[in-house]
Amino acid sequence: EPEVTQTPSHQVTQMGQEVILRCVPISNHLYFYWYRQILGQKVEFLVSFYNNEISEKSEIFDDQFSVERPDGSNFTLKIRSTKLEDSAMYFCASRSRASGGPGELFFGEGSRLTVL
Amino acid sequence: SQQGEEDPQALSIQEGENATMNCSYKTSINNLQWYRQNSGRGLVHLILIRSNEREKHSGRLRVTLDTSKKSSSLLITASRAADTASYFCATDKDTGRRALTFGSGTRLQVQP
Repeated sequence: EPEVTQTPSHQVTQMGQEVILRCVPISNHLYFYWYRQILGQKVEFLVSFYNNEISEKSEIFDDQFSVERPDGSNFTLKIRSTKLEDSAMYFCASRSRASGGPGELFFGEGSRLTVL
Repeated sequence: SQQGEEDPQALSIQEGENATMNCSYKTSINNLQWYRQNSGRGLVHLILIRSNEREKHSGRLRVTLDTSKKSSSLLITASRAADTASYFCATDKDTGRRALTFGSGTRLQVQP
């Protein structure tokens, strides 16, 4: 069964360092998302991406964050200068084309980011 | 409060009992979805109910939607220990942000 894959599963970094989290969405999906979840808390929307551009972003997704789809398969989230509060589980999700708004999202297993 | 708030925050039941989780939201929606998350894992889609539907079933899951009260419930019948997980509702608003907005989740513990 097709799945969303994320790497790394866990990354530990020093405050101020750049981090890139990688995702390979399901191959025929067109909409891509990043969400994050601070330990035990709610799942927060960061950004959505369609047709090679950001379609929506939240207040969390400030200038320190960027997303890219450098080739036909990878979808990356970059944090330029990590802060302690960026420590969280980051989830990538994708969905196929659907009319009438978001349908089912397929999530990866997440990348746990620990900022020291 | 936030769009998509579940209650209770935590629920502990015995195997075989039914589990009911509720979700309330603030704005008009196109659809509402329920997801499950095992500890430390990704979210898995369970069921989607559209704004013009009132009830939907999938196996042991039953979801209701009351758009007049802006609320939904997820019922898991004949629970199993393997149902232990966190359950999140997620709403797709019909205006403004279209990306799914998740609630805080209900942590369900099913005791064997």
